[in-house]
Amino acid sequence: AQSVTQLDSQVPVFEEAPVELRCNYSSSVSVYLFWYVQYPNQGLQLLLKYLSGSTLVKGINGFEAEFNKSQTSFHLRKPSVHISDTAEYFCAVTAILTGGGNKLTFGTGTQLKVEL
Amino acid sequence: EPEVTQTPSHQVTQMGQEVILRCVPISNHLYFYWYRQILGQKVEFLVSFYNNEISEKSEIFDDQFSVERPDGSNFTLKIRSTKLEDSAMYFCAIRDRGSQPQHFGDGTRLSIL
Repeated sequence: AQSVTQLDSQVPVFEEAPVELRCNYSSSVSVYLFWYVQYPNQGLQLLLKYLSGSTLVKGINGFEAEFNKSQTSFHLRKPSVHISDTAEYFCAVTAILTGGGNKLTFGTGTQLKVEL
Repeated sequence: EPEVTQTPSHQVTQMGQEVILRCVPISNHLYFYWYRQILGQKVEFLVSFYNNEISEKSEIFDDQFSVERPDGSNFTLKIRSTKLEDSAMYFCAIRDRGSQPQHFGDGTRLSIL
């Protein structure tokens, strides 16, 4: 089984400041990793994914994340946030299984609040 | 453009009634999923569906839940006798074989009175 920990439930940050949202995971098998964003009253939109290859992955809206296997982390970063980045951010993992349904296991989410 | 559409966007139902939530993919996909998100909580896996059968389900997905693809395109989640605790946002997700990630619909907000 997999589990995902997002230690920060809320992260307030001023506009144009950098931000890092933390994500740690636990799994007995290899995993794929994802960050999804949820704007108020909307669905889940994929920000970025790590499947293989370079451990630094870039996503939409200027976000990037780095996969660290030894620390089992997949922290999300943005060098300069905008008011429009205010949203809930979810880290998720899925086990790499052949023939499996590959369900997603989500963290509890981090509410990013960008202030002027 | 979303790859999957969910209907209705909001459903209000009396406790004990049956509800059917629908998911319509834009094109043909192989893997289908339902997740739910109780207000203020994390997104939880309910069930995955592949090749017209359930491939995995969670503890939440008990006998009052069922899924099917009645016409080969729509993917439905049925809750037979709703309870107050079924109030949540329900998300459908789709995925093609051998590819990631899952793509989510905008969700159906289910309110049980």
